[in-house]
This record gives sequence, C-alpha cells and structure tokens, in this order.
Amino acid sequence: EIVLTQSPGTLSLSPGERATLSCRASQSISSTYLAWYQQKPGQAPRLLIYGASSRASGIPDRFSGSGSGTDFTLTISRLEPEDFAVYYCQQYGSSPQTFGQGTKLGIK
Amino acid sequence: QVHLVQSGAEVKKPGSSVKVSCTASGGTFSSYAISWVRQAPGQGLEWMGGIIPLFGTPNYAQKFQGRVTITADKSTSTAYMELSSLRSEDTAVYYCARAAAAAGKPSSFDYWGQGTLVTVSS
Repeated sequence: EIVLTQSPGTLSLSPGERATLSCRASQSISSTYLAWYQQKPGQAPRLLIYGASSRASGIPDRFSGSGSGTDFTLTISRLEPEDFAVYYCQQYGSSPQTFGQGTKLGIK
Repeated sequence: QVHLVQSGAEVKKPGSSVKVSCTASGGTFSSYAISWVRQAPGQGLEWMGGIIPLFGTPNYAQKFQGRVTITADKSTSTAYMELSSLRSEDTAVYYCARAAAAAGKPSSFDYWGQGTLVTVSS
C-alpha cells in the first residue's frame, strides 16, 4: 500500500498570501494518478486537481499542482477567505487507492 | 450535472450490519465506477472499495475484505455499501464518490454524495 504523507499538518496564513502544501509518497507514483481535494467542515471533499497538475472543472486558476515521482505540491497563489479548509492528496494508480492525512489551512 | 444522494443517518449496535445507498441522477450511471470512502470523526479519508455498475464486479480494500459488500442496481442507478460485524471504530461518515473517468480507468472522484453518518454504539 502506498502511504502518502502530507506536510505541514497545519498551515496558518493570511488572505492574499501564497500557500504551498506538500504530499510525499512512500514509493514512486505516476503523476497521472495524483489528485488534490479540498474539504470544508460538514461538506464532502471537492476535487481540485487531477493528474497532478490539471484543474478540475470550475476550479479557479489560483490553484495549481505540480510534482512527479514521490513529491507533489499544491500551490494556492493568493489565498481567498473561502480557501481556508483541509486539503487531501490522493493516489489512484495503485490499489488500494490511498489518501494523505490532510493539511489544515487556517487563517492567521 | 451528476448528483449523488445518499440514504440517511444510521445508529447501529456492535455486531450488526448497515446498508447505505447512493442514488445517482444525471450522467451515465453504468459506465463510471462508484467508490465508497469513509471518514471517522476528525480523521482523514479511507477508500473502502468500488464497483463499475456496467460490469458488476466489486473491488475491495484488503482491510475490509469479508466485511464489506458493494453492489449496484443499474435499473435504479443506485449503489449500495453494506458493512457487517460493526464495531465502534466503524463510526464514521460514509461517502459514495463517482470516478471522473469512465470504463474502469484509474481515476480521481469528481462527484461525491452528501455523506451518511453511521454511529455504532451499544
């Protein structure tokens, strides 16, 4: 099973700042099979990025993904108030598909 | 626009079973895998298994093998997840989620149900 480790666990930033979230895999995965989700309290996760760098439908361009092999990054270029949430990475190329433990992005 | 609607919250006794439904509207139900993902209180996301309704053969995470049964009814565009031998650690919100890519290709999840809280308590 591929273990995904996200860092930091918690990130405190202000609106307008840049956020950089990391996801490291226990073994190399194809960038084709790495996704990022946003989850707000009481809501289901929302797909942001798939294939490591492709934005899902309706996702603002301030969200971008990058990376390959075992190291992947989600960047939010200028934080908006609605961006403060928990973010999860997911690999879906190897069964069982697995999620990282999440990064909580909070308001500073 | 695809919409996934799940059945309501359940309270179950340890040792019993629970069956959660997920009804899809919009899109083509049969061609896209439906997965079940659970989230314990304050915890992360855990994939339990999935099914492509067109083929009907489920795929389970090893952790849940023998305890989970995932089925799909094409006639009603509904997927089901049944979990047996419930214990307190199974208390969680259970989500159904649709694969973004059709025909069983490895895929992220582009549509999610609203979640069903299952509480296991004596």
